Amino acid sequence: KQEVTQIPAALSVPEGENLVLNCSFTDSAIYNLQWFRQDPGKGLTSLLLIQSSQREQTSGRLNASLDKSSGRSTLYIAASQPGDSATYLCAVTKGERNTDKLIFGTGTRLQVFP
Amino acid sequence: NAGVTQTPKFQVLKTGQSMTLQCAQDMNHNSMYWYRQDPGMGLRLIYYSASEGTTDKGEVPNGYNVSRLNKREFSLRLESAAPSQTSVYFCASQLQGALYNSPLHFGNGTRLTVT
Repeated sequence: KQEVTQIPAALSVPEGENLVLNCSFTDSAIYNLQWFRQDPGKGLTSLLLIQSSQREQTSGRLNASLDKSSGRSTLYIAASQPGDSATYLCAVTKGERNTDKLIFGTGTRLQVFP
Repeated sequence: NAGVTQTPKFQVLKTGQSMTLQCAQDMNHNSMYWYRQDPGMGLRLIYYSASEGTTDKGEVPNGYNVSRLNKREFSLRLESAAPSQTSVYFCASQLQGALYNSPLHFGNGTRLTVT
């Protein structure tokens, strides 16, 4: 059974720091991996999607990497800002035929203080 | 540009009552999903609809039913609410299924409490 783990569960950093959030999964047979952001009381917003054949994706100050063989992904946030404070979740799509199901991690709650 | 709209935003039910959570998307997406989010458990898939006219069970379907009314709307029904169904419910949609590598779009959630 695919399990997705995110460590740490919570992180507090001063503004301006570069930081890395981690996501690990137990079954390397994934089709893609997505990183989401969730603000308090809101739904999830898709940040980056990495296909299984890709190693990384970048969007602005965000860079996500994927190492399927080791079952790991990282989300790198450069020059963090208070507006980056949110919970970040990763999710993998199982590499099975005819499936539309994502398996989510429990998230890392990030606080960036001024 | 509404995206994915869920109603109601909040609901309190007594054990045994029924209710329907509504979801609509205006992005012409084919696939729609219902998730529940519980502390320490992450998001878990309840039901999904890969296209209009089809629905399938997810990880935690017991106690729920769904209807894909048309391409835009996907509703979730609790026939006899139980305290274990206290949760935040999210509807999501996607242009195609996950295998086509299109991102998932979420609504803002329905916070349900069953007493």
